[in-house]
Amino acid sequence: SQKIEQNSEALNIQEGKTATLTCNYTNYSPAYLQWYRQDPGRGPVFLLLIRENEKEKRKERLKVTFDTTLKQSLFHITASQPADSATYLCALDMSGGGYQKVTFGIGTKLQVIP
Amino acid sequence: EPEVTQTPSHQVTQMGQEVILRCVPISNHLYFYWYRQILGQKVEFLVSFYNNEISEKSEIFDDQFSVERPDGSNFTLKIRSTKLEDSAMYFCASRGSNEKLFFGSGTQLSVL
Repeated sequence: SQKIEQNSEALNIQEGKTATLTCNYTNYSPAYLQWYRQDPGRGPVFLLLIRENEKEKRKERLKVTFDTTLKQSLFHITASQPADSATYLCALDMSGGGYQKVTFGIGTKLQVIP
Repeated sequence: EPEVTQTPSHQVTQMGQEVILRCVPISNHLYFYWYRQILGQKVEFLVSFYNNEISEKSEIFDDQFSVERPDGSNFTLKIRSTKLEDSAMYFCASRGSNEKLFFGSGTQLSVL
């Protein structure tokens, strides 16, 4: 069955540097992949969506890539700030395109050090 | 910006009791979801709901769980006989015509 793999270890980076987070999946390539941000005790907040026919998507300091050959998405935050510290979740639709079973990876906790 | 509202924010119950968690999705959304997150673990899919019926459910969503949209605004999750392992944060989410999920702030359920 499809699995979503994110590095569950925390990522610590210096303020101003680029953070790069990885999401791998194991089986079929999904039609799209989403990234969410989760702060402690809060619900996930949508950040970006990238479709299978898109190589890259940008939104302000955020950039997502999608490589269906490697079965991998990379999530980049450039010029990182302490306010970017949070857990970042990768999500895939597991319902074969109906968007009815969006499943999350465990998330990678990012800590930006001033 | 419109938001998903969940009540209560905290619920404490005794093992074996029934609990109902309530959600008010964004008003023009048609797709509704429940997720749960045990402390330190991932956000787990429980169930999705569209057009007054369940669309998908996970293996966690057994006969002890049920969902309902009793009126035009509320979406509820009922746990019939709570177990200790049901202690978790429960998130409701809703979706409009695109793929973006909007989450509520969650209900922290503690089963004693």
